[in-house]
Amino acid sequence: GNSVTQMEGPVTLSEEAFLTINCTYTATGYPSLFWYVQYPGEGLQLLLKATKADDKGSNKGFEATYRKETTSFHLEKGSVQVSDSAVYFCALTIQGAQKLVFGQGTRLTINP
Amino acid sequence: DAGITQSPRHKVTETGTPVTLRCHQTENHRYMYWYRQDPGHGLRLIHYSYGVKDTDKGEVSDGYSVSRSKTEDFLLTLESATSSQTSVYFCAIKPGQGSNQPQHFGDGTRLSIL
Repeated sequence: GNSVTQMEGPVTLSEEAFLTINCTYTATGYPSLFWYVQYPGEGLQLLLKATKADDKGSNKGFEATYRKETTSFHLEKGSVQVSDSAVYFCALTIQGAQKLVFGQGTRLTINP
Repeated sequence: DAGITQSPRHKVTETGTPVTLRCHQTENHRYMYWYRQDPGHGLRLIHYSYGVKDTDKGEVSDGYSVSRSKTEDFLLTLESATSSQTSVYFCAIKPGQGSNQPQHFGDGTRLSIL
């Protein structure tokens, strides 16, 4: 089946630290990959996406590269800010399908 | 802002009562979804719709029904609420059929079943 596994949280970092949140997937078809972010009390917002192997999605200083050989889509940011504190979700959808499959989410807290 | 309104935003009710949650969109998008969010589970799909009167089940559909009588509204009904349905419910929309198109989410409804 199709599934997404994220690194377990919570993750706590200091401001300006380097961030990596790991995401790996299994897929029966050819997936598109997404990172969503959820700020407290809000719905999910699309952070970035990649739709084919070796694509790099980027937004707001965050990046993730679609690695087909390692079935991974790790989220990175070079210097985090307190405002990046949120829950991050990795997700996939299979070509021809209309449903997203989510990882369990990783809660990130950035301390000043 | 993706033009999605969920109502109510908060609701507390008792076991055994019927509950209906509403998702309204102003985008005229074809696809609409209902998810529930629970700690440790991420988001799980309850039901989705691919057009007026066209719906299908997701992975956690037991105890839930949906209706879509017009493009802009997608209703989720708990016929007889149970405490296990206490959760945060999110609606999402997607414009078309392409799997690379992202879904856009509402702000959620926090439902407590006592």
